[in-house]
Amino acid sequence: GAVVSQHPSRVICKSGTSVKIECRSLDFQATTMFWYRQFPKQSLMLMATSNEGSKATYEQGVEKDKFLINHASLTLSTLTVTSAHPEDSSFYICSARVFSTDTQYFGPGTRLTVL
Amino acid sequence: AQSVTQLGSHVSVSEGALVLLRCNYSSSVPPYLFWYVQYPNQGLQLLLKYTTGATLVKGINGFEAEFKKSETSFHLTKPSAHMSDAAEYFCAVSALNTGFQKLVFGTGTRLLVSP
Repeated sequence: GAVVSQHPSRVICKSGTSVKIECRSLDFQATTMFWYRQFPKQSLMLMATSNEGSKATYEQGVEKDKFLINHASLTLSTLTVTSAHPEDSSFYICSARVFSTDTQYFGPGTRLTVL
Repeated sequence: AQSVTQLGSHVSVSEGALVLLRCNYSSSVPPYLFWYVQYPNQGLQLLLKYTTGATLVKGINGFEAEFKKSETSFHLTKPSAHMSDAAEYFCAVSALNTGFQKLVFGTGTRLLVSP
């Protein structure tokens, strides 16, 4: 149980385009999902907390207008990187929280490369 | 606020040897503690967690960890390393003052296993 999927696993895009990443909880409902960014050989940096049916809460320093988050259902959250630039290239990982156990389960990650 | 310190960015062991990965935390309130493992280009997989109750926690793949409040530690151990244990390991903490929602991660420890 507690499986989280992400799509796509890899994406390459041109500078200036937008990219959408999906995060799904496959066998449980998640009112709260999280989006992280991980730079090579570093730890995870929390970008935002996504709550179903309400606006996401962004961490300090994360641009809301660049990283659009939508959590329209209890099993799906999306992260859209708008007007992507090479510095946005990174590994993006989502997680979904199981409310009853206060435990986060992570997706397999999405490798974004902006040319 | 919570914080996590993982001593040793790299730990090398021989196959069959004891694995010990260190984690110390700081929290002004009782914490929940987690160990996650990350294989290359993948998301994080939950190894084990401590919330309340028994301080020795057993997880998957033969790993266990002991919560020691007096030492503010949550070290991860495995009696006998296997080649497949080579990966990045992250210790994380959450606490009541964030509704046990936000995870704060350590910087990670890369476990290297030699034949």
